[in-house]
This record gives sequence, C-alpha cells and structure tokens, in this order.
Amino acid sequence: GNSVTQMEGPVTLSEEAFLTINCTYTATGYPSLFWYVQYPGEGLQLLLKATKADDKGSNKGFEATYRKETTSFHLEKGSVQVSDSAVYFCALSEKNSGYALNFGKGTSLLVTP
Amino acid sequence: EAQVTQNPRYLITVTGKKLTVTCSQNMNHEYMSWYRQDPGLGLRQIYYSMNVEVTDKGDVPEGYKVSRKEKRNFPLILESPSPNQTSLYFCASSFLGSYGYTFGSGTRLTVV
Repeated sequence: GNSVTQMEGPVTLSEEAFLTINCTYTATGYPSLFWYVQYPGEGLQLLLKATKADDKGSNKGFEATYRKETTSFHLEKGSVQVSDSAVYFCALSEKNSGYALNFGKGTSLLVTP
Repeated sequence: EAQVTQNPRYLITVTGKKLTVTCSQNMNHEYMSWYRQDPGLGLRQIYYSMNVEVTDKGDVPEGYKVSRKEKRNFPLILESPSPNQTSLYFCASSFLGSYGYTFGSGTRLTVV
C-alpha cells in the first residue's frame, strides 16, 4: 500500500536559518505529492504540490521537488521566519486509491527570534 | 468564498448518544474525505467519496458511517460514540484528487 515517512520533530531553528524537512514515500502507482501546513489551532492548508516526476512545487518561499528515483519530496526554505512555526505534513494521493490522501505523521517546526 | 464548512466546531457528548458532524463544500468538488487527527498518530482517513452515492472505507472506518446523497454534503455519523472516538476531525474536498484538497476548520469531539 501507499505510505509516507517524514522526519520526526520537533525541529527548532533560529530566524533566517535554512530549513529542510525530509519526506519519502511508497506508492504502487504514480502519486501526486503535497505539503500541508497546520498553524496552531487551525485546519490544514495546502502549501505546495507536484503532480509528476521532476516537478517543483513552490509557495511562500518554500520549495519541494518530486524525485521519483529516490521517492522523495523534501521541503526546503532558504530563510525561515518566526511566522513559519507550524506543523508540516507530507502527503500523497493516487488514482488507484481514489485520490485519498495518505499523510506522514507531521513535523513540528519552531522558529525562534 | 470557496470553503469547506464543518459543524459543530466543538462537541462534548456522552457514550452511546448518536451524533452527526456535518460537512458542506461550495466548490462543486467531486472528492470528499473525513480524517481524524490524534497526537502521535497524525492524520488518518476514515471514509472517502469519489462522487454522489460512491463511498469507501479509509484506514479507520470502524464506528463511523457516512453518506453522499448530494455532491456538496458529506456528513459523518457516529451511531454509538465511544471515548476512543475523542479526536479532532477534518472534512476535506477536492475537484480532482491529484490537485490537492481544501480542508475544513475541524471539529473537536469529546466523548465522555
């Protein structure tokens, strides 16, 4: 079946530091890949997505590249801000499973001034 | 405004008392799903629907029911709630599943 593995948190960074959150996946077909963000007390928001191999998703300074050869979709940001403190979820969806989302367990990010 | 609306936002109930959490979307989306979020377990899918009258089980369907009689609505029904169903629930919808889902604001359910 499909699954997503992402690095455990919490991750604590100083403002303006470089961020990487690792995500790898297992899928039976050709999934679409996503990063979602959950701010404290809120629902999930789609941060970025990639629908095929070598696609790069980007939004708000965050980037992730769909790497089929390494089955990875690592999230990066060059300079984090305090306002980026949140929980980040890697996820995939695939036609074979009715496009249901499979989530990783989430990585908590805390950015300190 | 395009959105997924869940109600109620907070609910405290007693074991065995049937309840329904409503979910409605105004984007004419085909796909809808329910998830529960628990500390240490992340988000797990309960049920999903690819279209009207088409529903299927997710990873943790036990103790839950859903229906999809209209495209816009996808209620979650707990016929006999138990304390292990205390959780944060999210409804989500998508025009085409490969493009990503829009999530509701969540329903925090406590069963005592």
